[in-house]
Amino acid sequence: GAVVSQHPSWVICKSGTSVKIECRSLDFQATTMFWYRQFPKQSLMLMATSNEGSKATYEQGVEKDKFLINHASLTLSTLTVTSAHPEDSSFYICSARAAWETQYFGPGTRLLVL
Amino acid sequence: SQQGEEDPQALSIQEGENATMNCSYKTSINNLQWYRQNSGRGLVHLILIRSNEREKHSGRLRVTLDTSKKSSSLLITASRAADTASYFCATDAGTSGSRLTFGEGTQLTVNP
Repeated sequence: GAVVSQHPSWVICKSGTSVKIECRSLDFQATTMFWYRQFPKQSLMLMATSNEGSKATYEQGVEKDKFLINHASLTLSTLTVTSAHPEDSSFYICSARAAWETQYFGPGTRLLVL
Repeated sequence: SQQGEEDPQALSIQEGENATMNCSYKTSINNLQWYRQNSGRGLVHLILIRSNEREKHSGRLRVTLDTSKKSSSLLITASRAADTASYFCATDAGTSGSRLTFGEGTQLTVNP
């Protein structure tokens, strides 16, 4: 099946620093990638949708200047959390979708901001 | 509330029993998908059912879809301890790049 990887799997950083998370589709080309955020014992909340070569579409309430998304190629999307604060601590999950309907999810990145 | 609401929120059963989880949604959909998430991990796609389908099977999984009631159910037969996880339904309205809207999830615990 289709495989999506994320790197890093976990990161601890100081408040005020920026953190970049990579999402890669390993064996297929992803026309669309999605970034989700999940708090403990809660569901996934879509943050943004990104298509290769175009600007990401952010969900209402998600600050695009704080969560920078770059979809540079059909196999790579990055999410940069700029000037991270403790409230940004969360589990970030990406997914990738090709021409078919199914989204394949990465293993997630746990971010802890001290 | 979210597009997908799941019921029950938590379910605890014994190994060998069947587990049924329900999902309701509000708007028209293109398809509905079920995912499993083990604690602290990513999501694993289980099954996709299209709006013109009523039932689908995959191994020990059986999914039904009733578009008139805007509801779906996931049945896991002969459950195993390894089935312990959170189960989410997600709806695809077929618009906006096929973004998925997730339900709140059902935490299933299968006791050995």
